Amino acid sequence: SQKIEQNSEALNIQEGKTATLTCNYTNYSPAYLQWYRQDPGRGPVFLLLIRENEKEKRKERLKVTFDTTLKQSLFHITASQPADSATYLCALEEGGGADGLTFGKGTHLIIQP
Amino acid sequence: KAGVTQTPRYLIKTRGQQVTLSCSPISGHRSVSWYQQTPGQGLQFLFEYFSETQRNKGNFPGRFSGRQFSNSRSEMNVSTLELGDSALYLCASKGGPGRGYEQYFGPGTRLTVT
Repeated sequence: SQKIEQNSEALNIQEGKTATLTCNYTNYSPAYLQWYRQDPGRGPVFLLLIRENEKEKRKERLKVTFDTTLKQSLFHITASQPADSATYLCALEEGGGADGLTFGKGTHLIIQP
Repeated sequence: KAGVTQTPRYLIKTRGQQVTLSCSPISGHRSVSWYQQTPGQGLQFLFEYFSETQRNKGNFPGRFSGRQFSNSRSEMNVSTLELGDSALYLCASKGGPGRGYEQYFGPGTRLTVT
């Protein structure tokens, strides 16, 4: 089954800088890759979805890249703000929508003022 | 548009008991999925329902079951509770049964088994 690796250690970034989070997967490339944000005690919130034939997707200060050769997705937050502090989850969706979303364990991002 | 709602928000049960959790999806969404979240395993897929039919099931024992009603509301049931079932149970709805849809999560039900 698919294994997803996200940096398990917290990522500390200075306010105003770009935060870059990594998601690596081990097996075949998924049909879709999604990024979610989760705050303590709350459910995940959808941020961006990228398809296997897309290289990059942007939404406001967020950017996601998808490299099927490296089996990696990068998630960028530009001009980071303390309010961006949260856990960010990478999730893969494989063929046919079977088995639901497979999530990584998330990276805890801390934006320091 | 109201979001996904889950009840109850918190629950404490004893080993061996059973529990039923409820989820109301976003209006118009007919696909509902359930996930278990623990610190050790992260978010894991339990099952997905669409139009009252289970489409997919994750790698969980048969003690975990679910159903969906004609109004798309869903329930999940865990029988013979074990300590390891303590987790945050999340429900998510999406606009269709296939791939490529973002999922909208509820706030979760925090289940503690003692």
